[in-house]
Order: sequence, then structure tokens, then C-alpha cells
Amino acid sequence: QQPVQSPQAVILREGEDAVINCSSSKALYSVHWYRQKHGEAPVFLMILLKGGEQKGHEKISASFNEKKQQSSLYLTASQLSYSGTYFCGTERGGATNKLIFGTGTLLAVQP
Amino acid sequence: DAGITQSPRHKVTETGTPVTLRCHQTENHRYMYWYRQDPGHGLRLIHYSYGVKDTDKGEVSDGYSVSRSKTEDFLLTLESATSSQTSVYFCAIANGQNTEAFFGQGTRLTVV
Repeated sequence: QQPVQSPQAVILREGEDAVINCSSSKALYSVHWYRQKHGEAPVFLMILLKGGEQKGHEKISASFNEKKQQSSLYLTASQLSYSGTYFCGTERGGATNKLIFGTGTLLAVQP
Repeated sequence: DAGITQSPRHKVTETGTPVTLRCHQTENHRYMYWYRQDPGHGLRLIHYSYGVKDTDKGEVSDGYSVSRSKTEDFLLTLESATSSQTSVYFCAIANGQNTEAFFGQGTRLTVV
């Protein structure tokens, strides 16, 4: 039931690009993306909604394929500050608003 | 920063003892969540609440119970702590559907 993220880990040089994927076996109503620095709490990046509306970050983009129940996060021209663990989160919809997170992707950006 | 605090921040307890973790918010957000974070598993949902006295189970609820008697507090209780419950626990809050979730700073729990 937990969304699966790939890759599990990725190492980049500054300026390189990365794509992080999130896949769910169940229907998605929206997809969240968060970044967690080591020893800190996860911090919101963006939300993608059905129908294409996106709320959130300026320098990082994402896509949401409702039919395939997948989302991808695109980090372009990566900076050292992009390092951390990235989580996708999915809402099931309905009044209870159950929010489930994925397995995480560790991103390390090196000079 | 969103007003959300977890207590305690660190705790060591013995196997078989009950433990209660507290999540307190000052944002008047409707939804509250408890997650545990373990290497290789990401964030796993334990229990969540969609209103005062309205709670439901998450993916890994066995051995845990919760209570929410008022909007600002969401308590997580380990009824009889086991070593497998050694983890970092995060509380999160959200104001509605399709809105950002805010996380507390986490509680590191060690069961010996």
C-alpha cells in the first residue's frame, strides 16, 4: 500500500539533473513531495493535483500521471542544498484524508 | 514555522513498559498524523485523526493506540514497548485535503 520510490539512492555532481519516481498501486487523488535533511523534519516542496494544478516550489518541478498512478520529481542543475531524502506522499481522498508516504529516495549532491 | 511540538524529543525505555508520546499544535489544523521512520521503510503511517475523537488506523498500527480529546493534542501510546518499536516518530498536521503537511521535530525512542 505504501508508494514505491525509485531510485532508492542517487549521487550527483553539482549541476547535474536527477529524476525521482513515485508509483502507487492504488488510485491517487493528489501527490505531495517533501525533502528531509539529515536529523531534521521533512519539509514540504509541492503538491500535484488531479487535472494538472500544481502548488509549490519554484526551482523543482514534477509531473503527475493519474492513469498510471505515478509521479516524478525533476531536479535540474542540482545544488549542494538539494541533498537530502525525498518523500512522495499520496492522499486517498475522502473526509478522513489519509496521507501515506513512500519509501524515500536519498539524494547526495557532491561538489 | 507551523506551531507543532513533540514531546519528549528523546526517550529510552525498557521492554514491556507503556510509553506515551505527545504531539501539540497551535494551528487549529483538523488532521493529525503519527508516523515512524526506519531505514529502508521511509515514513510509515501508524494512526491518524480527522477530528476530535475521530481516529483511524494506518499501515503499522499493531501495538499502538492514539487519542485526541481536543484539537491541539494527539497522543500516541505504545501499550507495551518492544525493541521493534525503536524508531524515530514524527507527528504531522494538515488543515485540509490537498494542503501542505507540517511535521514536528521528531521523537527518538529507544526500547532496551
